[in-house]
Amino acid sequence: DIQMTQSPSSVSASVGDRVTITCRASQGISSWLAWYQQKPGKAPKLLISAASSLQSGVPSRFSGSGSGTDFTLTISSLQPEDFATYYCQQSNSFPWTFGQGTKVEIK
Amino acid sequence: QVQLMQSGPEVKKPGASVKVSCKASGYPFTIYGLNWVRQAPGQGLEWMGWISPYNGNTNSAQKLQGRVTMTTDTSTSTAYMELRSLKSDDTAVYYCARVNCSSSSCPLDYWGQGTLVTVSS
Repeated sequence: DIQMTQSPSSVSASVGDRVTITCRASQGISSWLAWYQQKPGKAPKLLISAASSLQSGVPSRFSGSGSGTDFTLTISSLQPEDFATYYCQQSNSFPWTFGQGTKVEIK
Repeated sequence: QVQLMQSGPEVKKPGASVKVSCKASGYPFTIYGLNWVRQAPGQGLEWMGWISPYNGNTNSAQKLQGRVTMTTDTSTSTAYMELRSLKSDDTAVYYCARVNCSSSSCPLDYWGQGTLVTVSS
């Protein structure tokens, strides 16, 4: 199974800060990576697919990069509505797997 | 608009089975795969499995093999996930999600609202 490891597990940041979350795959997954945002009590929401493709309607302050084993999700200027938990997920090979999540908290 | 509407909350005793439904609308049901994902209280997302409504092919997490069955009914555009021999650590919110594959990614682009399954004696 491909293990997905996110770091940090949590981050405290202020509105306007730049936040970067990393996701590392235990083996190469090309660009078969997606990022999701989840708020308490809600279903996850797809932000980015194919490592760097922003979903329609997602603010441009979100961006994704990487290929192979190392990936990043960047929020260029944190907004109040961005405080949430973020997950990466690989779909390169079964079983598909999620990272453990990164909680973005208010500083 | 694409919608995935899941069945309501369930309370089950250990050893029982539960069957969660996910009714799709707003898109051609057989064109897209479906995933099942669960989330235990306060925990992260756990991938459970994938099903193709087109041909019924499935792939599930090894830890659940033998206990989970995923099926679809194309006449009603509904997917089902049955989990048997329930244990307390199966207590979780269960989500269905549509898989939208391209040449380089298979993201889960639409999600159901989630179904809380509580396993308790």
